[in-house]
Amino acid sequence: EVQLVDSGGGLVQPGGSLRLSCAASGFSVSSNYISWVRQAPGKGLEWVSVISSGGSTYYADSVKGRFTISRDNSKNTLYLQMDTLRAEDTALYYCAREMIAAVGSFDYWGQGTLVTVSS
Amino acid sequence: QLVLTQSPSASASLGASVKLTCTLSSGHSSYAIAWHQQQPEKGPRYLMKLNSDGSHNKGDGIPDRFSGSSSGAERYLTISSLQSEDEADYYCQTWDTGFRVFGGGTKLTVL
Repeated sequence: EVQLVDSGGGLVQPGGSLRLSCAASGFSVSSNYISWVRQAPGKGLEWVSVISSGGSTYYADSVKGRFTISRDNSKNTLYLQMDTLRAEDTALYYCAREMIAAVGSFDYWGQGTLVTVSS
Repeated sequence: QLVLTQSPSASASLGASVKLTCTLSSGHSSYAIAWHQQQPEKGPRYLMKLNSDGSHNKGDGIPDRFSGSSSGAERYLTISSLQSEDEADYYCQTWDTGFRVFGGGTKLTVL
């Protein structure tokens, strides 16, 4: 059974850093593209970043240069390193697996982890 | 620019059917999309991938009441025999090399 478990969220001051984790089971993180998606309070879904099966990385303009996506194949875990955090980064962050047969289409989601950026 | 447009809200009665629309921006009518459901206070759930020819692949455990269709740049999600648990936000989503994009979501109210 495919499962994604998000963790690492919390309260951080503006300008601070946080690292989110997404622990996967039921598949190998090196086999699929995996994205981070966020949802600000009361708002819609916003794509943040993706890492390909080959290790290429892409980012939304809103986080480029501040966030870094990575993975540890031995731990079957995805990460999102978030630096220079701003108030507008406050959101529930989800990891989402993309289908091998349809890269770009999310087929499994984590439960989300809440990031609050506030002084 | 690849953009998805959804109506902010829709409503239908218990037991009835509803058809939600997602419109692809000009020049992108051949793109596939995915539909996702987000029930109140829950994370998103994948419903289906919907191709430009109307063919679709549903996620595990998604009832037959949920179906998809396409016409030009429009992608539709039809929910029949509406149940109370269908009251949720519905998002369409698409992709291109290096980025993914969501529609603004449609809030479905079951009357």
